[in-house]
Amino acid sequence: QVQLVQSGAEVKKPGASVKISCKASGYTFTSYYIHWVRQAPGQGLEWMGIINPSVDSKSYAQKFQGRVTMTRDTSTSTVYMELSSLRSEDTAVYFCARERTATTQDYYFEYWGQGTLVTVSS
Amino acid sequence: QSALTQPASVSGSPGQSITISCTGTSSDVGGYNYVSWYQQHPGKAPKLMIYDVSNRPSGVSNRFSGSKSGNTASLTISGLQAEDEADYYCSSYRSSSTPVVFGGGTKLTVL
Repeated sequence: QVQLVQSGAEVKKPGASVKISCKASGYTFTSYYIHWVRQAPGQGLEWMGIINPSVDSKSYAQKFQGRVTMTRDTSTSTVYMELSSLRSEDTAVYFCARERTATTQDYYFEYWGQGTLVTVSS
Repeated sequence: QSALTQPASVSGSPGQSITISCTGTSSDVGGYNYVSWYQQHPGKAPKLMIYDVSNRPSGVSNRFSGSKSGNTASLTISGLQAEDEADYYCSSYRSSSTPVVFGGGTKLTVL
């Protein structure tokens, strides 16, 4: 069965960086785009960006340009999301999510990781 | 401020039907049939309930249906059940540098 397993909770100080992993299993890793979506406490969902694990192409939301980096490791079927220059407003649960359709970008998130809480506090 | 506008809350009694609206613009909801809906229970990851405006993924109850008219998409849940109580988010493709936009979410209370 398809699974996305994320790394554990993080506590960071303002100005630091955080790198979250998302390990995929149960399907062909390079056949599906992966997205990152975050959710601040008590707030809605916010799209951060997308990575194509096959060709390592990425696209980021304008809001996060310059602060976010998405990478992948095909040998371990893992994608990573690094967010730098953290501020208190970045405190949120970060989710990775796999698209519904193989090889074609459809922007529908059918499988989700369990979420990783990142707390930014001095 | 969210890109797509949803009511903050809706409620209904078991067995009733409710509809949640999601209003965007001609650059997103109105311009493309790439609208989806997600259900999220507290402390859980969202679950895809509707895609392509009105299609249900395998395993999603046919009590959930989607539609669209102009710049507004709608999610209807018929035969409300206690387990439907959750937050619901709409999403749409948008022709911009940020191609995915979400609504602010609607809290459904089953009375």
